[in-house]
Amino acid sequence: QVQLVQSGAEVKKPGASMRVSCEAPGHPFSGYLIHWVRQAPGQGLEWMGYVNPKSGGTNYAEKFQGRVTMTRDTSINTAYMELRRLTSDDSAIYYCVRRDIGFLGFDPWGQGTLVTVSS
Amino acid sequence: AIQLTQSPSSLSASVGDRVTIACRASQGISTDLAWYQQKPGEAPKLLMSAASTLQNGVPSRFSGSGSGTDFTLTITSLQPEDVATYYCQQFNSYPFTFGPGTKVDMK
Repeated sequence: QVQLVQSGAEVKKPGASMRVSCEAPGHPFSGYLIHWVRQAPGQGLEWMGYVNPKSGGTNYAEKFQGRVTMTRDTSINTAYMELRRLTSDDSAIYYCVRRDIGFLGFDPWGQGTLVTVSS
Repeated sequence: AIQLTQSPSSLSASVGDRVTIACRASQGISTDLAWYQQKPGEAPKLLMSAASTLQNGVPSRFSGSGSGTDFTLTITSLQPEDVATYYCQQFNSYPFTFGPGTKVDMK
């Protein structure tokens, strides 16, 4: 059973950058995409974009373009999401999720990484 | 972007009740829809893919239906462990938008 293991909680200052990692231990990156979804406190789910671990190709939500970069390191089966120029509105739980190409669902989800942006 | 609306936004029901949650898309999305269950403090869990395909391990009291713009998630006999927020998500076109969620609790 594939699991996604994310990095730990972070506290950032406004204007700083954050980077969250997402590892699939023991499972090579192949045949699927890693998407990123965030959830602000008490709010709903927001799709941010994806990285194709095999090709490195990306697709970002328009809202985050210019501020987000999604990458991967296939040698360690890990994906990364970097978000820059943080504001308090970026305080949220960030999830990485797997989507098998062509599958109409996100599964599994990482455990989530809480990022707090505060001065 | 395709917008998803859900109704109701919240509901209270008793053990054993039949619960129905609706999800409507702003344009036709065939059956390119998933449903998730999220319990407090947990990551969402995939319940249903392709509008009506029950995922392994999900109790059979959950079912999904619909195509085009109107979809439904039904719990035939509500159990205490079903208290959660339920989200629909469309996979028809990017960005992969989510509905705003329906919170289900026990009466």
